[in-house]
Amino acid sequence: NAGVMQNPRHLVRRRGQEARLRCSPMKGHSHVYWYRQLPEEGLKFMVYLQKENIIDESGMPKERFSAEFPKEGPSILRIQQVVRGDSAAYFCASSPGTSGANVLTFGAGSRLTVL
Amino acid sequence: AQSVTQLGSHVSVSEGALVLLRCNYSSSVPPYLFWYVQYPNQGLQLLLKYTSAATLVKGINGFEAEFKKSETSFHLTKPSAHMSDAAEYFCAVSADTGNQFYFGTGTSLTVIP
Repeated sequence: NAGVMQNPRHLVRRRGQEARLRCSPMKGHSHVYWYRQLPEEGLKFMVYLQKENIIDESGMPKERFSAEFPKEGPSILRIQQVVRGDSAAYFCASSPGTSGANVLTFGAGSRLTVL
Repeated sequence: AQSVTQLGSHVSVSEGALVLLRCNYSSSVPPYLFWYVQYPNQGLQLLLKYTSAATLVKGINGFEAEFKKSETSFHLTKPSAHMSDAAEYFCAVSADTGNQFYFGTGTSLTVIP
């Protein structure tokens, strides 16, 4: 039973390019969370999605960032026109349901470097 | 709304010494509380969770945490540190309302031989 799969593990982009990060949740999990981790800053919540719905995007920057979780396929975090400040590790986590008691299962992360 | 505060961004202990990592939470509803560990270049792994059953929760690798409502704390302890415990530790809180998880800023644990 594969865990949460994230790809790519490492991504290098030049300023102004687009970055697409993919996340396949654990089998049976229908809830996906995206977090960003910067050195010395811990995990910052970005967005929470269920299939075909964005439930909470209060942590997403208003511009250039978007996320989706289609009916079929992985969840995608998209960053347009990347800037150096977007360099970070982006973690996806999934859970099976709506209870706060559910454990989040994390992927290994995608590390974005913007040159 | 919920939030978590981890006191001490860096903690160093000698091998064999007690590990104590502090976590205080704020929640307007009964909370669920979690400790996760992150090893370098990896994702977060669950150490233990509190979900309103026993207040003393035992986790993996000899770690445990005690929920103290009066102190709004959920500190993580281990009686004897091992070199392999060196990692980043995150405390998190959630609730049944909103289904949101809030993480602390993390505590980096160094174990000195």
